[in-house]
Amino acid sequence: DAGVIQSPRHEVTEMGQEVTLRCKPISGHDYLFWYRQTMMRGLELLIYFNNNVPIDDSGMPEDRFSAKMPNASFSTLKIQPSEPRDSAVYFCASSASLGVNQPQHFGDGTRLSIL
Amino acid sequence: KNEVEQSPQNLTAQEGEFITINCSYSVGISALHWLQQHPGGGIVSLFMLSSGKKKHGRLIATINIQEKHSSLHITASHPRDSAVYICAVALRSFGNEKLTFGTGTRLTIIP
Repeated sequence: DAGVIQSPRHEVTEMGQEVTLRCKPISGHDYLFWYRQTMMRGLELLIYFNNNVPIDDSGMPEDRFSAKMPNASFSTLKIQPSEPRDSAVYFCASSASLGVNQPQHFGDGTRLSIL
Repeated sequence: KNEVEQSPQNLTAQEGEFITINCSYSVGISALHWLQQHPGGGIVSLFMLSSGKKKHGRLIATINIQEKHSSLHITASHPRDSAVYICAVALRSFGNEKLTFGTGTRLTIIP
């Protein structure tokens, strides 16, 4: 099992540029989550999908953020245009289903720096 | 006030000591998670529980639903246990999908 795969691991770009983060969940997992981690706010849920359908995007900070899941094996989180305050570590996680015995499996994260 | 409070924020102990990290929450929950984040940044799910106690190796997690409190214990601590431990709750109003996180406890075990 390859685990949740995120790319890139690190991204440095200038303010105003478009940023696309990618995630491949564990095969067979029905739920996919995008999180953001900052020193000030800790971990926050941005959006989650069930069977490729966005269920709750109330954590998406602004219209500059968008997420898609075109199929069961791929999701993207896009920021356009990026701003310095978007600098954070972005994690993708997946789980087989909901329930007390189904943990979320996290990717290694993408460390994003907006200059 | 945060819905999830962890204590202590930082903890330094000698190898072999018994470690306790606490998590309190203020709302009804359907489940509580304990996560471990290593210095490299990766996050691993340690436990999910909604009642009672779970044990995995040297780690034990307990939860008291009435008191809205959970503890994570580490027996015979080892330097490789050094990490940030994060408590997260699945709020009952949202089911098990939406997690709210504590700010984490940074644990350092000195050889």
